[in-house]
Amino acid sequence: QITLKESGPTLVKPTQTLTLTCTFSGFSLTTTGVGVGWIRQPPGKALEWLALVYWDDDKRYSPSLKSRLTITKDTSKNQVVLTLTNVDPVDTATYYCAHRLGTRQDYWGQGTLVTVSS
Amino acid sequence: QSVLTQPPSASGTPGQRVTISCSGSSSDIGSNTVSWYQQLPGTAPKVLIYNNYQRPSGVPDRFSGSKSGTSASLAISGLQSEDEADYYCAAWYHSLAYVFGTGTKVTVL
Repeated sequence: QITLKESGPTLVKPTQTLTLTCTFSGFSLTTTGVGVGWIRQPPGKALEWLALVYWDDDKRYSPSLKSRLTITKDTSKNQVVLTLTNVDPVDTATYYCAHRLGTRQDYWGQGTLVTVSS
Repeated sequence: QSVLTQPPSASGTPGQRVTISCSGSSSDIGSNTVSWYQQLPGTAPKVLIYNNYQRPSGVPDRFSGSKSGTSASLAISGLQSEDEADYYCAAWYHSLAYVFGTGTKVTVL
């Protein structure tokens, strides 16, 4: 059974760096074709894709946020970490991590709400 | 950055067929496959369709997807009250970044 769970701070101050961890089970990020990505959703708004890391450490980023995002994986801990630098209130959102296999983003975490406010 | 365009809302009565469109470009839908996601209120999204028309196991065959050129569509036949949700299309853009559609809220009247 594949599960993913996001963790991190619920409140971050403007200009700080946000670090989120996705802890997963039921699959390995060393398996060919597997990836873990991050997606966010501001309150009442649409989904926005952020980043993805593949089993071979290939990484993809949203062009509009690339300069502020870093995604890394720790296969020994079954974790994927996303950092977002210089946060602003517009970064307030529910952040999801999701398992990807081929063209399917088929398992999602429950999401974690992060508020950016002073 | 590419954005896939969807109508903000769609509606139908129980049993009707509802279709949601997703308009893109040659750089996204035109050269990559399309997925569709359903997001019920207060929950994480769930994949309904991948590779333009394929359904994961457990997804009812009332949901069907299609693609033509730079556009895609999701059809819900035999609309049910539990189908009331937000629906998003998605595709790769230049195989470098994944993009979601603007989202469509489906209301069952």
